[in-house]
Amino acid sequence: EVQLVESGGGVVRPGGSLRLSCAASGFTFDDYGMSWVRQVPGKGLEWVSGINWNGGSTGYVDSVKGRFTISRDNAKNSLYLQMNSLRAEDTALYHCARTGNSGYDFDYWGQGTLVTVSS
Amino acid sequence: QTVVTQEPSFSVSPGGTVTLTCGLSSGSVSTTYYPSWYQQTPGQAPRTLIYSTNTRSSGVPDRFSGSILGNKAALTITGAQADDESDYYCVLYMGSGIWVFGGGTKLTVL
Repeated sequence: EVQLVESGGGVVRPGGSLRLSCAASGFTFDDYGMSWVRQVPGKGLEWVSGINWNGGSTGYVDSVKGRFTISRDNAKNSLYLQMNSLRAEDTALYHCARTGNSGYDFDYWGQGTLVTVSS
Repeated sequence: QTVVTQEPSFSVSPGGTVTLTCGLSSGSVSTTYYPSWYQQTPGQAPRTLIYSTNTRSSGVPDRFSGSILGNKAALTITGAQADDESDYYCVLYMGSGIWVFGGGTKLTVL
């Protein structure tokens, strides 16, 4: 059974940093690209960042470029999101999601970890 | 910046048919955007319904179908049921490893 379990969320002050992790199991992790998708409670989904199977290609939404860094450790079946210079508008539930076999969708999602940026 | 548009809300009667759409603020949606659709109920992670325009994800009933209608991607629910009442999101692949979600449609079945 495919499982994605996020961790690392919490409360941080504006300008602070957090590192999110996503532990993957139930599939061959390095066969798949992965993404982070966030959702402000009560609002819509926003794709934040993605990474290909070997970490050689990454992408970011404009609002986080230069502040967030996505990475993966295939030996540990883990995905990460290093978030620096956090802003109030980064407050959201952060899901990790697996890229589907089509290469263009998200077929499995974690339940998310909540990041709150507040002074 | 690219904006993906969806109807904020829609209502359908039980047993009825509804078509939700996914457009672009500038330009037309085509299969080259590989539109996919997700269903989300409160407190739950999204569930994949449709990918690559019109391919149903495993276990999704065939009353859910995807297509391109005019210049938009479309999700059609035929024979709506009470438990279809959810939020529905589309996402478009923009190329270069970038995706953009629509704002979501809140579907009410009543």
